Amino acid sequence: KNEVEQSPQNLTAQEGEFITINCSYSVGISALHWLQQHPGGGIVSLFMLSSGKKKHGRLIATINIQEKHSSLHITASHPRDSAVYICAVRPNTGTASKLTFGTGTRLQVTL
Amino acid sequence: EAQVTQNPRYLITVTGKKLTVTCSQNMNHEYMSWYRQDPGLGLRQIYYSMNVEVTDKGDVPEGYKVSRKEKRNFPLILESPSPNQTSLYFCASSTRQGADEQYFGPGTRLTVT
Repeated sequence: KNEVEQSPQNLTAQEGEFITINCSYSVGISALHWLQQHPGGGIVSLFMLSSGKKKHGRLIATINIQEKHSSLHITASHPRDSAVYICAVRPNTGTASKLTFGTGTRLQVTL
Repeated sequence: EAQVTQNPRYLITVTGKKLTVTCSQNMNHEYMSWYRQDPGLGLRQIYYSMNVEVTDKGDVPEGYKVSRKEKRNFPLILESPSPNQTSLYFCASSTRQGADEQYFGPGTRLTVT
């Protein structure tokens, strides 16, 4: 079982829909990242969370440390939001702590 | 502009021919890392460096070497590439390991025949 699980793996939505992508992890963490990978392959950082909630434009990220769960919400989705969304966690154990990645959620937003 | 650059962006090579993928960042970041991305497996860390002359293995280091002689550069070396190293490679940097925003390079698509 992977340390980081994302759901759903694939998601198709119509423009304007509210979208939720989920990330569950099995280890104690000090930070959680949400990343966006564009169809061309480039990766950009959307959010870094250690508690609570963050908002940037139409994107909202939340985290529940006790439940080991995070969600990424997209309000009023648009075709340009089509991308792969990746959750990554920084475990807080071990001397070589590093980012562990989920396998991503592929989102397609249609007109 | 703050950025991480990688070269080359695309490379097709043959088994056993040594190659180097360069990575450079202009943000004075201490932490740099190399990842490979394969379908269904997500991003996996190859090597990381916490500062100049400090490097360590990630999850999949076999067949790779790195060096960190200068803060801005972190090249990835494949001494004898094999077809199972065909992958999409990303370099990333941040001020602290995993605890700060990660900046990714544009990726290098490597094919080993």
